[in-house]
Amino acid sequence: ETGVTQSPTHLIKTRGQQVTLRCSSQSGHNTVSWYQQALGQGPQFIFQYYREEENGRGNFPPRFSGLQFPNYSSELNVNALELDDSALYLCASTPGRLLTDTQYFGPGTRLTVL
Amino acid sequence: GEDVEQSLFLSVREGDSSVINCTYTDSSSTYLYWYKQEPGAGLQLLTYIFSNMDMKQDQRLTVLLNKKDKHLSLRIADTQTGDSAIYFCAEKGSGNTPLVFGKGTRLSVIA
Repeated sequence: ETGVTQSPTHLIKTRGQQVTLRCSSQSGHNTVSWYQQALGQGPQFIFQYYREEENGRGNFPPRFSGLQFPNYSSELNVNALELDDSALYLCASTPGRLLTDTQYFGPGTRLTVL
Repeated sequence: GEDVEQSLFLSVREGDSSVINCTYTDSSSTYLYWYKQEPGAGLQLLTYIFSNMDMKQDQRLTVLLNKKDKHLSLRIADTQTGDSAIYFCAEKGSGNTPLVFGKGTRLSVIA
């Protein structure tokens, strides 16, 4: 158990809809990263938030956006859902702002887009 | 971009040793990680090695790093059925760069 929690565990949406996924980081961790893991693939970095500001972004379009709150919990928002957005979305927290800090992952939210 | 390659499948008998291999391209990698993912679950950090080390041992796990060949391996001694999972190799470059993962190696342990 890493202490990182995510909700919901599963979600089904239709193409064009919007979705919000949530993450609570491990106690004492002020940085959260989001990853997308498509079926049969390794996780791909979406972005990272440190103290409520974006601190690094991967190769994902602007319809993927995020927020971090003062308690360091975080949201991932995806607009205009596409079928290829179906994946396991993983949140990871770290104790510091550097992407080199060891990341501890939550159980993930499985998103299915129909 | 940077790349991490792993073989996709490995099958071993219970009690044998498993060796999972990984190659990477980023010569500036600072840390290399092994994560375990069980069905329907998130990623569990197993171990990591700093790039100036060539070996790290942690109970049944041994990590070997050949920085010249950019090759990383994870050896699991006395493999058990509970070790059946997907194992991901991941590397971190220098500076504020994110983790880059391989596609994972599915380890099947036969009783």
